[in-house]
Amino acid sequence: EDQVTQSPEALRLQEGESSSLNCSYTVSGLRGLFWYRQDPGKGPEFLFTLYSAGEEKEKERLKATLTKKESFLHITAPKPEDSATYLCAASSGGSYIPTFGRGTSLIVHP
Amino acid sequence: DTGVSQNPRHKITKRGQNVTFRCDPISEHNRLYWYRQTLGQGPEFLTYFQNEAQLEKSRLLSDRFSAERPKGSFSTLEIQRTEQGDSAMYLCASSYSGVVETQYFGPGTRLLVL
Repeated sequence: EDQVTQSPEALRLQEGESSSLNCSYTVSGLRGLFWYRQDPGKGPEFLFTLYSAGEEKEKERLKATLTKKESFLHITAPKPEDSATYLCAASSGGSYIPTFGRGTSLIVHP
Repeated sequence: DTGVSQNPRHKITKRGQNVTFRCDPISEHNRLYWYRQTLGQGPEFLTYFQNEAQLEKSRLLSDRFSAERPKGSFSTLEIQRTEQGDSAMYLCASSYSGVVETQYFGPGTRLLVL
């Protein structure tokens, strides 16, 4: 059974304090690893898709990386508007249906 | 590209009533997915369509839940005889079929069953 585990569950940072969120996955033949941002009461907003180990993608203060067992979402010099829940999901070779983690709730204090 | 839309955004109902939600996917997307999300959890897969065909349903999905996508465009999710445990955010996502698909989500419908 596919599994996705995110850590930490919650993270509090000061504005400008860089950090990383972790997503560990166990799937049969990774098809894609996805990162989403979700604000309270809203649907997930797509951030990145990673396909193979070693791949990296960046968008503003966010950088996603992928290894054979885990993915990291690095946040450089975060701002209060980066506060949200960040969701990770992985799809395996046998299914188009991604398995989601429980998310990391990030709060950035000014 | 107007994105995925969902209606209504909020629904309050009494236990035992039926409710129906609508999802309009991104126009060129042929796959449509329904998820349920409760507080502190990630989205949980319910069912998905490719064009008008319902290809997969979660084995955890109660018989009270039914979904349709009659013309391969918009979709409806109906919950019959609602229970308090059905209270959740119901999310719709769409994608275009390919080797690796990225799903784009709508804003969700928040259901509260009293």
